[in-house]
Amino acid sequence: AQSVTQLDSQVPVFEEAPVELRCNYSSSVSVYLFWYVQYPNQGLQLLLKYLSGSTLVKGINGFEAEFNKSQTSFHLRKPSVHISDTAEYFCAVRSNDYKLSFGAGTTVTVRA
Amino acid sequence: SQTIHQWPATLVQPVGSPLSLECTVEGTSNPNLYWYRQAAGRGLQLLFYSIGIDQISSEVPQNLSASRPQDRQFILSSKKLLLSDSGFYLCAWEETTEAFFGQGTRLTVV
Repeated sequence: AQSVTQLDSQVPVFEEAPVELRCNYSSSVSVYLFWYVQYPNQGLQLLLKYLSGSTLVKGINGFEAEFNKSQTSFHLRKPSVHISDTAEYFCAVRSNDYKLSFGAGTTVTVRA
Repeated sequence: SQTIHQWPATLVQPVGSPLSLECTVEGTSNPNLYWYRQAAGRGLQLLFYSIGIDQISSEVPQNLSASRPQDRQFILSSKKLLLSDSGFYLCAWEETTEAFFGQGTRLTVV
C-alpha cells in the first residue's frame, strides 16, 4: 500500500528564518514525488517534483527538496522564509499505476 | 490551453438524496482523472482515480461511486447521501506528472 506521512501538522516560523517540512512515504514500487502549496483561499499549485536524476530538486519561490531513497523521505526546505510563504504544504506520491496520494498537509505560519 | 471545470461550487443536499458532481477537462485527451475529498487536518483523501474510460480505481470503501462516461468527463455520485459525506470535493487531472485541480465543490448534507 502507498502512503504519505507529513510529520508536522503545524510549523510556526519567524520571517527570514529557515524552514524544513518533513515528508516520508511508503511504497513497494518506484514513485514520483511532489510538493504542492495551497495559499489561503486558493487552489493547489505545484512547488516542485522529483521524477529521476539529481536527488536535490529546486522549485519555485526559493524552495528545494531532497529525495532520500534509503530513508524514503522527501523533505522540503527554504533557507529564508517570507510572510507570503504562509500557506499549507502538501507532500504527494505518484506510483507507476498513476495513483496520486497526498499527505495530511503542514500549515506554515510565518511571523514578523 | 488545458482547463478543468468542476460544478457546482456549492451544494446543500438532504440526507438520503442522490448526488452527482461533474468534472470535465478541456484541451487534452486521455487524461488521468482523480476525485479527492479535502478536510482540515486530513489533507486530500484520494477517493477514485481513472486512467481511461471505464477504468476506475476506488481507494476508500464508502457511500460514493465514480464513472467516466467520456474521455474527459469524470462524475462522482451517490444514491443516498449520509451526513458524513459533507466535505470539500476536488477533481484533478494529471499531465506529464503534474496535477491540476478544479475549484472544488463544498457539499453540505443536512
